[in-house]
Amino acid sequence: QKEVEQNSGPLSVPEGAIASLNCTYSDRGSQSFFWYRQYSGKSPELIMSIYSNGDKEDGRFTAQLNKASQYVSLLIRDSQPSDSATYLCAGSKSGATNKLIFGTGTLLAVQP
Amino acid sequence: DTAVSQTPKYLVTQMGNDKSIKCEQNLGHDTMYWYKQDSKKFLKIMFSYNNKELIINETVPNRFSPKSPDKAHLNLHINSLELGDSAVYFCASSQNSQNTIYFGEGSWLTVV
Repeated sequence: QKEVEQNSGPLSVPEGAIASLNCTYSDRGSQSFFWYRQYSGKSPELIMSIYSNGDKEDGRFTAQLNKASQYVSLLIRDSQPSDSATYLCAGSKSGATNKLIFGTGTLLAVQP
Repeated sequence: DTAVSQTPKYLVTQMGNDKSIKCEQNLGHDTMYWYKQDSKKFLKIMFSYNNKELIINETVPNRFSPKSPDKAHLNLHINSLELGDSAVYFCASSQNSQNTIYFGEGSWLTVV
């Protein structure tokens, strides 16, 4: 079992719809979670970080964390074609070292 | 004014060669990393340095040797390159070992 799992997709949504990206993790010691967006041929770019149970909103993006169920999600409202990319979920444990464990990413395709 | 810069961006080399990838960050961060992303987009940490000190050393072949001459630089040297080393290598940095990680643009290594 991978430490961080994501559905590889592609997840196809029409423009203007809500895209829902999900991620589960196996290590209950994981405390911090991150969503990175990666366009083809580019580097991962941090979109959201979340550390506590519940929702965290930033513009069109909402990250959700449920530590009891060990899942993290990212909602993208009013999806735009420019949101089409691979979304990488990552978790890390608190402590002395900052080691991000990534999922394999979900490819999102927003159809105009 | 690229925050985390890597050179070269593209590298094509033959099996058995030795090559280096250089990384520099101008963010004043204390911690730097090397991540490897394979053809399936799986991003995995290789090494991390905090103030020139090695703090994360994942299970990678000892043909890979990182070197940090100062906290703004982290280079990766690879000996006796193999076909399986073909990947994108991302350098990254964070304020310290607890903070958000920012990635460089990546170095595309192809071993033929």
